[in-house]
Amino acid sequence: SAVISQKPSRDICQRGTSLTIQCQVDSQVTMMFWYRQQPGQSLTLIATANQGSEATYESGFVIDKFPISRPNLTFSTLTVSNMSPEDSSIYLCSVVRGQETQYFGPGTRLLVL
Amino acid sequence: KQEVTQIPAALSVPEGENLVLNCSFTDSAIYNLQWFRQDPGKGLTSLLLIQSSQREQTSGRLNASLDKSSGRSTLYIAASQPGDSATYLCAARYGNKLVFGAGTILRVKS
Repeated sequence: SAVISQKPSRDICQRGTSLTIQCQVDSQVTMMFWYRQQPGQSLTLIATANQGSEATYESGFVIDKFPISRPNLTFSTLTVSNMSPEDSSIYLCSVVRGQETQYFGPGTRLLVL
Repeated sequence: KQEVTQIPAALSVPEGENLVLNCSFTDSAIYNLQWFRQDPGKGLTSLLLIQSSQREQTSGRLNASLDKSSGRSTLYIAASQPGDSATYLCAARYGNKLVFGAGTILRVKS
């Protein structure tokens, strides 16, 4: 299994501001993934973060809106920039371990007013 | 387009009943398929992982099957308990990406 922690666990933010979410994994991994779960919907992959290279973004997500850092093999951050109420979601960090089993962090619950 | 569909969207059963949750995927070129459980206000818990070459996996009261050719997977829960109440998500892996279904909300009544 994998132990993944995220900070903050939840936040309430004003529109136009930015929030940086941190993800810490208990051991080194090559790739870290960021997912979003909008209210009442399922999870959607935002981007894949590799250490030492630019993150790879999925269709509909751009670096200016969701900049990602990956300074080492156990840590990543996702920033939600210039927030609007539509950004209210749960943001989850994820890694793959063992035989390609995917594990998720507890999530960051974001409400934008 | 790679899409995953789960049926039913919600299910309510009495305690002790056996039940089946269904998952279908449009692109059969999956690497594997994973079932998760999500409890309100919490993250995802991995239940079972089936590789594309496998037909089924079992863990305790849970059994998951996979039929790649028909694009289907089922999660069988035996002797359901109130503690099984949660949202169940299936996700198909394509390369590095998991494509999720919308989930089945399960309620087991005591």
